[in-house]
Amino acid sequence: QVQLQESGPGLVKPSETLSLTCTVSGGSISNYYWSWIRQPPGKGLEWIGYIYSSGSTNYNPSLKSRVTISVDTSKNQFSVSLTSVTAADTAVYFCARSSMAARPRFDYWGQGTLVTVSS
Amino acid sequence: QSALTQPASVSGSPGQSITISCTGTSSDVGSYDLVSWYQHHPGKAPKLMIYEVNKRPSGVSNRFSGSKSGNTASLTISGLQAEDEADYCCCSYAVNTTYVIFGGGTKLTVL
Repeated sequence: QVQLQESGPGLVKPSETLSLTCTVSGGSISNYYWSWIRQPPGKGLEWIGYIYSSGSTNYNPSLKSRVTISVDTSKNQFSVSLTSVTAADTAVYFCARSSMAARPRFDYWGQGTLVTVSS
Repeated sequence: QSALTQPASVSGSPGQSITISCTGTSSDVGSYDLVSWYQHHPGKAPKLMIYEVNKRPSGVSNRFSGSKSGNTASLTISGLQAEDEADYCCCSYAVNTTYVIFGGGTKLTVL
C-alpha cells in the first residue's frame, strides 16, 4: 500500500521560505506525477504544482514565481519550496500522486501538515 | 480563477440518499469528463472516491456515484451510513488555467 508522509517546519516567519518534503513508501516514485496541494483554514483546496519522476514540472500560475518542486528518486522523496511567504500561505499542505498528467486523479494523498506563517 | 462551487453543507439520515453538486464553467467542468471527487475525514489523508466523472476506484463502495450535466458535476451517496460523514471536494481538469481546480468543499452530516 502506497503511503505519503509530509514533513517540515510547522511555523515559518513572514518573508522566509517554506520547505516541505513528502516521503513515499510502499511503492516507487518513478513514472508518476507528484503534486503539492494546500488548503488554507476555512477554504478549499488549491493545487500548487507537480513534478514528474523525471524532473519535469508544472506550477500553478498564481504561485509560479515563488514555487520550486524537486524530486530525489534515490530517497523516494519530493519537496516543495515557497519563497517570500505571507500569512496568506498559512495552510495545510498535502502531497498527492497521480498517474497521468492529462487525466489527473489523485489516488494517494498524505494526511497533510499545517504550516503557519507568523512572526 | 475561482474555485468550483459546492454547497457548504448537506445532511441526510442513515439509509437516505444525498447529492452534492459541483458547478464550474465551460473552461473546466463543462469541457472535460475529468471530474474527480474526494472524501476527507479531518486529520486523515483525502480519499479518491470518483474519477473521470463516474468511475469508481477499486475498493470504493458502489453507494457512491458521479454524473455530469453541462458545467455541473454531481456526487450521489445512496444508503447513507455514519462513516460517510466527512468533507467532500470535487476537482476538475482545467488545462488552460491552473491545470486542476478544486471546489470549496461540502461538509456532509449524517443525522
